Parts: sequence; structure tokens; C-alpha cells
Amino acid sequence: GDSVTQMEGPVTLSEEAFLTINCTYTATGYPSLFWYVQYPGEGLQLLLKATKADDKGSNKGFEATYRKETTSFHLEKGSVQVSDSAVYFCALDRGSTLGRLYFGRGTQLTVWP
Amino acid sequence: DAGVIQSPRHEVTEMGQEVTLRCKPISGHNSLFWYRQTMMRGLELLIYFNNNVPIDDSGMPEDRFSAKMPNASFSTLKIQPSEPRDSAVYFCASRKGTAGANVLTFGAGSRLTVL
Repeated sequence: GDSVTQMEGPVTLSEEAFLTINCTYTATGYPSLFWYVQYPGEGLQLLLKATKADDKGSNKGFEATYRKETTSFHLEKGSVQVSDSAVYFCALDRGSTLGRLYFGRGTQLTVWP
Repeated sequence: DAGVIQSPRHEVTEMGQEVTLRCKPISGHNSLFWYRQTMMRGLELLIYFNNNVPIDDSGMPEDRFSAKMPNASFSTLKIQPSEPRDSAVYFCASRKGTAGANVLTFGAGSRLTVL
């Protein structure tokens, strides 16, 4: 069945460090891929998305490229800030008529000043 | 737009009591999802509706849980009787359309503590 696997956390970085959070997926067809972010005490909110192979989603300095050959959608940021501390979720939508999103387990990121 | 509105934000109750969580989706969104989040199990999909009709309730833990969507602007998740292991944050989310890259919008969540 459809599923998303993302790297285990927690991830702890110093401010201005480079961030990568790995995400791979299993799905039939051509799913859309998403990264959601959850700040403390809040619900999840969309960070970025990509709808087809080789698309790059970007927002707030974060980027992820839809790689069909490796079934991956890794999240990257060149220089993290303390305010980026949050839980990051990778998700896929297979686009079926009665669609639902499949979420990964989430990766906790803590950035120290 | 006020976003997805959930109530109550926090609920503390005793084991055996009935709990009702409420959700108002974004106007115009026709799909609604209920999730549960815990440290141990992460984010779990409990049930989702399309055009007020339950599509998949396979994630509902057991018969103590029930969900309804009587109209396009309101849904409830009920737990009766509640147990300590039901303690979690419950999220409601909605989106427009049934498939594709339509964004899922989450509410702020209802934090439930069952003593």
C-alpha cells in the first residue's frame, strides 16, 4: 500500500547549519508530495508541495525536489534559524477519487542559537 | 477566512465520561478528516468524510469512538466511555476537492486528557 518513510529524529542543529530531512515514498501512479510543518502547540500547516516528477517545491528557504527515480522528496534548507524548530512531516496524495493523505512519522528539528 | 475551528481546545475528564470534540471546516471544503496525535503512535487518521459521507473509518480505534457530519459545516468526534489511553491531541482538517494537490488545512487541535 501507499506509505511514506522519513528519517527518525530528533535532529539537533546549530543556527546557520545545513538541514536535510530524508523522505521516501511508496505509491502507485503519480502522487503529489508535500511537506507540512507543526510548530509547538499548533496544527500542521503546509510548507511546500510538488505535483509531478522533477518539480521543486520551495518556501521560506526550504526546498524539496520530487525524484521519481529514487521515490524521494528530501527537505533541505541551507541555513536554519532558531525559529525553524518544529516537527516536519512528509506526506503523499495519490490523487485517487476518494483521496487521503499518507503522512510520515514526523521529524523533530531543534535549532540552537 | 477563520480557518478550521475546533472546540474545545483543552479537555480534562475522568475515565468513563463521554467526550465530544467539535469541528467547523472551512466554508467550501467538501472533505473533512479527523486525526489523533500521540508521542507513541504519531499522527493517525481516524476517519474522513467526503460531501458529509464517511469514506473510510478503518482508523477508528474501537466502538467507543464515533464520528458524524450532519452537514457541510459541522462534524463531531465522540468517545464514550473515555479511557486514559485516549489522551491525545485530536486534529480536524479539511480541504477542497477529493484528490490531487489540494492542500489540507488543519485546525489548532483539541488536547484531551483522560484521568
